[in-house]
Amino acid sequence: QQPVQSPQAVILREGEDAVINCSSSKALYSVHWYRQKHGEAPVFLMILLKGGEQKGHEKISASFNEKKQQSSLYLTASQLSYSGTYFCGTESVHDRGSTLGRLYFGRGTQLTVWP
Amino acid sequence: NAGVTQTPKFRVLKTGQSMTLLCAQDMNHEYMYWYRQDPGMGLRLIHYSVGEGTTAKGEVPDGYNVSRLKKQNFLLGLESAAPSQTSVYFCASSYNADRDTDTQYFGPGTRLTVL
Repeated sequence: QQPVQSPQAVILREGEDAVINCSSSKALYSVHWYRQKHGEAPVFLMILLKGGEQKGHEKISASFNEKKQQSSLYLTASQLSYSGTYFCGTESVHDRGSTLGRLYFGRGTQLTVWP
Repeated sequence: NAGVTQTPKFRVLKTGQSMTLLCAQDMNHEYMYWYRQDPGMGLRLIHYSVGEGTTAKGEVPDGYNVSRLKKQNFLLGLESAAPSQTSVYFCASSYNADRDTDTQYFGPGTRLTVL
């Protein structure tokens, strides 16, 4: 049930853009995106729900493609502060009826932004 | 509000010793979770609770026990620690997974080393 994230790592210069993907083998109800700095707790970025909506958060936005069972996180004009590991957590449509709130997390994408 | 807090922050155990990790939240959240995070593995769910007095197994429950005697606290116990349990442990909570927009908020983590 663990979603697959790609790429595993990204290295950028300040101002460049990046896309991180999260794919599941299950029909998804929701996708939750988090960022974790080294030695710290994961911090919630945004949630996307079944319905294929796109959400934004400063220069970080995400989309949810229900048919492809995939979500993508877009980081535009990256800043040094964007460095960290990005995780997606997914809740499947099947689990929604039986294990409310339970998320399966991907292995993470390590993003490094250089000046 | 302190959010989600964890005690202790660091701990070193010898094989066979026991210990309890404490998670506390002051947000009146119904749901609480214990994860372990190992390099390259992402976050894996150990146990979770959907309310006071209830617990359920996650993906990797073996070797751990939990209790939720009070709504605000969720305890994770290791009865006989093994080197394979060396990890960073995160606690998380969410208000009520019935709400579409609800997500999990993480504590700062406990770094446990078993020698």
